[in-house]
Amino acid sequence: QVQLVQSGAEVKKPGASVKVSCKASGYTFTAYHMQWVRQAPGLGLEWMGWINPNSGGTYYAQKFQGRVTITRDTSISTVYMELRGLTSDDTAVYYCARDNPASTDWFDPWGQGTLVTVSS
Amino acid sequence: QSVLTQPPSVSGAPGERVTMSCTGGYTNIGAGYDVHWYQQLPGTAPKLLIYGNNNRPSGVPDRFSGSKSGISASLAITGLQAEDEADYYCQSYDTSLRGYVSGIGTKVTVL
Repeated sequence: QVQLVQSGAEVKKPGASVKVSCKASGYTFTAYHMQWVRQAPGLGLEWMGWINPNSGGTYYAQKFQGRVTITRDTSISTVYMELRGLTSDDTAVYYCARDNPASTDWFDPWGQGTLVTVSS
Repeated sequence: QSVLTQPPSVSGAPGERVTMSCTGGYTNIGAGYDVHWYQQLPGTAPKLLIYGNNNRPSGVPDRFSGSKSGISASLAITGLQAEDEADYYCQSYDTSLRGYVSGIGTKVTVL
C-alpha cells in the first residue's frame, strides 16, 4: 500500500534551520509530485510547496519563498523539506502528502506528520 | 485567517444529519476549482474524505457527501456516528495566490 513515513520530532532554537524527511513506498516515486503542508496549533492547513520527484522541479508558496527548499533523493524514494530562519511562528506539525493530479489536485495519502517546535 | 471560511463547530446527536459549509471567492471555488475535504481524527494526520467536490475514495462510507455551488461547498454527514467526531477541512486552489488554500476546519461533536 502507498505509505509516507516522516522523520521524528525536532526542537530548534530561533534562527536555526530544520530538515524534515518523507520516505515513500508502495508506488513509483517519480510518478507523483509531493506536497508539503503545515498545521500550526489551532490553525488550519497551510500549503508550503511541492516537488516533482522526477525532474526535481519545485514550486513554493509565496509566503515561504526564500526560506524553504524541497529536495529529493530518488535512490531512496525520499523527499526533504528544509525551512530556514525559524521563529516561534514556525512551531507546527509538518506533513508531506502525495499529490494526485486532476483539474484541482488533491492530496492523498499523508505522512504521519513531524512536530517542529521552535523555542529558545 | 484562512482563504476559505468554515464554521468553527457543528454538533449533532447520533443518527442525525449535519452539514458544514466552506465559502471562498471568485479566485478559488467561484473560479471553477474543485473542492476537496479531509477528515482529521484527534492526534492523526488528515485523511482524504471527498475529492472533486462530491467523490468518495474507496473505503469512505456513503454517509459522507459533498456538493459545490457558486463560491461555496458543503459537506454532509448523514446518520452521524461517534466515530465521526473529528475536524473537517476543505481545500481548493486559488488562482490569485497561485497555490492551494484551505479553511481553518470545522470540529464535529457527536452529542
